[in-house]
Amino acid sequence: DIQMTQSPSSLSASVGDRVTFTCRASQSISSSLSWYQQKPGKAPNLLIYGASSLQSGVPSRFSGSGSGTDFTLTITSLQPEDFATYYCQQSYTSLRISFGQGTRLEIK
Amino acid sequence: QVQLVESGGGLVQPGKSLTLSCAASGFTFTDYGMHWVRQAPGKGLEWVAVIWFDGSNKYYGGSVRGRFTISRDNFKNILYLEMRSLRVDDTATYYCARDTADLAAGVLDHWGQGTLVSVSS
Repeated sequence: DIQMTQSPSSLSASVGDRVTFTCRASQSISSSLSWYQQKPGKAPNLLIYGASSLQSGVPSRFSGSGSGTDFTLTITSLQPEDFATYYCQQSYTSLRISFGQGTRLEIK
Repeated sequence: QVQLVESGGGLVQPGKSLTLSCAASGFTFTDYGMHWVRQAPGKGLEWVAVIWFDGSNKYYGGSVRGRFTISRDNFKNILYLEMRSLRVDDTATYYCARDTADLAAGVLDHWGQGTLVSVSS
């Protein structure tokens, strides 16, 4: 199975900051990488798919990049509603997907 | 709009069975693969199972294979997860989620609100 590792596990930032999350796959997954945002008590919400494609309705301050084994999610100019947990997920093995352990974004 | 509403969760004893349902509306159910994903309290997301648009193929995560069965009723627009031989570590919120493709591309673009399953004696 493909293992997904996210770093850091938590991150503190302020409104207006630019933040970057990292996700690494245990083997090459091409661009088969999605990012989800999850707020406490809520279901995950798809932000990015195909490593860099923005899901409809997601603000343009979110962007994704990477291919192969290393990927990043960047949020430019953090907004109060962005404080949440972010998960990466590989779909290279689309019939056996797997998630990273998550990065919690906290207010500094 | 797309709606996925899970039901059937609750408290169950170890070794017992439980079946979850996910009622889908607002889209053509037969056009999409569907997944179950779970989240133990305070933990991350764990993929459980996927089923193709027509129910012809099903795949499972290693921790549930042989105990859980995913199925769907394309006439009623309902996704199911039958869980047998439940263990304490199956305790989690269970989400159903829609795939972006009929044969399952592995991208989950809509999620239900989740239903909590607690396994305890």
